[in-house]
Amino acid sequence: RKEVEQDPGPFNVPEGATVAFNCTYSNSASQSFFWYRQDCRKEPKLLMSVYSSGNEDGRFTAQLNRASQYISLLIRDSKLSDSATYLCVVIPSNTGKLIFGQGTTLQVKP
Amino acid sequence: ETGVTQTPRHLVMGMTNKKSLKCEQHLGHNAMYWYKQSAKKPLELMFVYSLEERVENNSVPSRFSPECPNSSHLFLHLHTLQPEDSALYLCASSQGGSSSYEQYFGPGTRLTVT
Repeated sequence: RKEVEQDPGPFNVPEGATVAFNCTYSNSASQSFFWYRQDCRKEPKLLMSVYSSGNEDGRFTAQLNRASQYISLLIRDSKLSDSATYLCVVIPSNTGKLIFGQGTTLQVKP
Repeated sequence: ETGVTQTPRHLVMGMTNKKSLKCEQHLGHNAMYWYKQSAKKPLELMFVYSLEERVENNSVPSRFSPECPNSSHLFLHLHTLQPEDSALYLCASSQGGSSSYEQYFGPGTRLTVT
């Protein structure tokens, strides 16, 4: 089983749609969770951290479910500029190593 | 952004060549990383340097040889590579040592081995 699993997509949605991605992780001792964004032919950049209580940043909401070992990213009112690959990142306890998922590709269409 | 730069951006090399990838960070960070990103696969951590000391070597074949002469520069020396080594090689840096989660990535070197 992969350490971090994501549906690669692509998710094709119209502008203004709400879209959600899930990510599952295998190590129950994992401590920290993040979403990175990677545009086509560009480097990954930190999008947001994922806290146990959930967190929101504008149109983006991230949630963590420790019992089921998954995290989610919800994007509301999708914009064309949201088109990118969204990478789920998990840090296992005490390692400091970032474990990346394969990424989920989002295409927002006009 | 010019926080983390990498050269060259593209590289084509034969299996018998020797080449080096260069990474430079201008952020004052004290940890640097090499990752490999292949098509349809997650980013794979290759090496970690913290305060110029290698703290992670993720079972990478010896045909990849990292070098970190100081906290701002990181090299990846390549020799006798295989076609399956063709990938995007990303450098990253972070503050707070290698346990920091927020890593800043360079634009990558797209390597093709023929």
